Amino acid sequence: KAGVTQTPRYLIKTRGQQVTLSCSPISGHRSVSWYQQTPGQGLQFLFEYFSETQRNKGNFPGRFSGRQFSNSRSEMNVSTLELGDSALYLCASSFSLASGEQYFGPGTRLTVT
Amino acid sequence: ILNVEQSPQSLHVQEGDSTNFTCSFPSSNFYALHWYRWETAKSPEALFVMTLNGDEKKKGRISATLNTKEGYSYLYIKGSQPEDSATYLCAFRGGGNKLTFGTGTQLKVEL
Repeated sequence: KAGVTQTPRYLIKTRGQQVTLSCSPISGHRSVSWYQQTPGQGLQFLFEYFSETQRNKGNFPGRFSGRQFSNSRSEMNVSTLELGDSALYLCASSFSLASGEQYFGPGTRLTVT
Repeated sequence: ILNVEQSPQSLHVQEGDSTNFTCSFPSSNFYALHWYRWETAKSPEALFVMTLNGDEKKKGRISATLNTKEGYSYLYIKGSQPEDSATYLCAFRGGGNKLTFGTGTQLKVEL
């Protein structure tokens, strides 16, 4: 079974631009969660999608948004990029809303200059 | 604001040493406690999902215990090997799939 995939793996953007990151969950998994990791902050929860609906949201500004498609693939979008958005963005998939395990992708490293 | 704390922040041990880390979390609204192992440039790898007070889980040389009443979990590594070098993360789950992570314990095992 293929694991969680994320594209692109690396991205460099300029302040003020927007960016879209993609996550393909494990086949059969319907829940996708997104996390941001910055130095010193650890992994912070962004949001979770299940059946194309956002089910849970972390404490991030409205510039961070996401969506999920009918095939469970998910995208997250960050608009009006700031230097502080430079981070590793990880997605995790799980079978359902209250599954035991969550499986992480390799992440997208975003650098904002 | 949920507080999940891990200690120590980093650890250097010699090959063959046994070691343990601590994760403390809120004792209320507990649903599960996850442990992950994260090697540089790789995806975090799930080690354990623990749900019951008193749970003890084992995978090879790695084991974990859980105390939900006092809000802590220990991760033990017996006979550390260089390939155990990684960051070990714990994450609290209060329901749904949202995980609140600690900042991790960075383990370095030297020959």
